[in-house]
Amino acid sequence: QQPVQSPQAVILREGEDAVINCSSSKALYSVHWYRQKHGEAPVFLMILLKGGEQKGHEKISASFNEKKQQSSLYLTASQLSYSGTYFCGTGAGNNRKLIWGLGTSLAVNP
Amino acid sequence: DAGITQSPRHKVTETGTPVTLRCHQTENHRYMYWYRQDPGHGLRLIHYSYGVKDTDKGEVSDGYSVSRSKTEDFLLTLESATSSQTSVYFCAIRPDRGSGNTIYFGEGSWLTVV
Repeated sequence: QQPVQSPQAVILREGEDAVINCSSSKALYSVHWYRQKHGEAPVFLMILLKGGEQKGHEKISASFNEKKQQSSLYLTASQLSYSGTYFCGTGAGNNRKLIWGLGTSLAVNP
Repeated sequence: DAGITQSPRHKVTETGTPVTLRCHQTENHRYMYWYRQDPGHGLRLIHYSYGVKDTDKGEVSDGYSVSRSKTEDFLLTLESATSSQTSVYFCAIRPDRGSGNTIYFGEGSWLTVV
């Protein structure tokens, strides 16, 4: 079952914060976050594994609540370069295939 | 750089013609994937491979076939292209060693069927 991302779109001013959520109806083993800029391939940001581990990448961090089957991506003090579409991909157990959310479009304006 | 090269990067073809997209990797990873990406549908898995001559279907495999005769190459073929197959196609690999099942994408192939 496809994970649900919210919100669908966010518009920020440079320096503002944002949270992007990814929720699944299935028990999760891993959550993967990617960012895609227009006309380019998705780029891996971070992976969170079962256990509520929190990760960070530059000023972007994420959490994974396995009980709620939800992950949240936190973007703090946003920069223009953060603009793009953020996707979560969820994995269950040893499944070789990720299931993808539809993405959250993030625009950071000066 | 995940060492993935897709070709062609852009192609325009006519309805009914066969089309083959190539994905080449330099790291000899076992797992390779073909996705298509369309507005409103996100990334959808077409086929994947877990070794030479070992392939399996994804969620949108109808109208597509794949072949993997060498570890480094994974070919996606549209036997008779249709307008509904106009899309961006991404190849991806999953490193043999690493955490979870993280995958890395190639640059993409933009296909237009007219």
